[in-house]
Amino acid sequence: QKEVEQDPGPLSVPEGAIVSLNCTYSNSAFQYFMWYRQYSRKGPELLMYTYSSGNKEDGRFTAQVDKSSKYISLFIRDSQPSDSATYLCAMRQASKLTFGTGTRLQVTL
Amino acid sequence: DTGVSQDPRHKITKRGQNVTFRCDPISEHNRLYWYRQTLGQGPEFLTYFQNEAQLEKSRLLSDRFSAERPKGSFSTLEIQRTEQGDSAMYLCASSLVGTVETQYFGPGTRLLVL
Repeated sequence: QKEVEQDPGPLSVPEGAIVSLNCTYSNSAFQYFMWYRQYSRKGPELLMYTYSSGNKEDGRFTAQVDKSSKYISLFIRDSQPSDSATYLCAMRQASKLTFGTGTRLQVTL
Repeated sequence: DTGVSQDPRHKITKRGQNVTFRCDPISEHNRLYWYRQTLGQGPEFLTYFQNEAQLEKSRLLSDRFSAERPKGSFSTLEIQRTEQGDSAMYLCASSLVGTVETQYFGPGTRLLVL
């Protein structure tokens, strides 16, 4: 079993929809939780990070962490075609990041 | 702040050849990381440096791989006697030691071994 599980998708939604992306993890030692966005053939770009259980909002993006369930989510409101990318969850233990496989999102007009 | 840069962006080589990649981190960042990403997968940790010191290496990093950061600034990753299974995107990231220690990634070097 992988330490971080993420549905690879693809996930296709119409413009304006609310998108929900999720990851589960098994390692209780993970301390920080991040979401990266990766466009095709580019490096990952940090979107959000969280430490404690609860919600964190930044514009159209909301990150949610539930440590008791070992479950994290990223919500995207009012999705745009420019949001079409692969979304990677990442979790940090000490200095090392462990990534999920990424979920490919397509926002259609 | 020009971000993390990597060179070359693409490399095609024949099996058995040696290749070397370079990473220039964000200037004030003292930690530098190497990851490998294959198609349809997330990046996998390979190794990281704090200043010049290599502090951790993944078991994924076979003895054909070597990384250096001689002056605590740029880093090189060398792969000797390349194999087709080495074909991947090699990503570099840098961070500043601290509580959150956000890692910022470069654009990657895409390696194809024929």
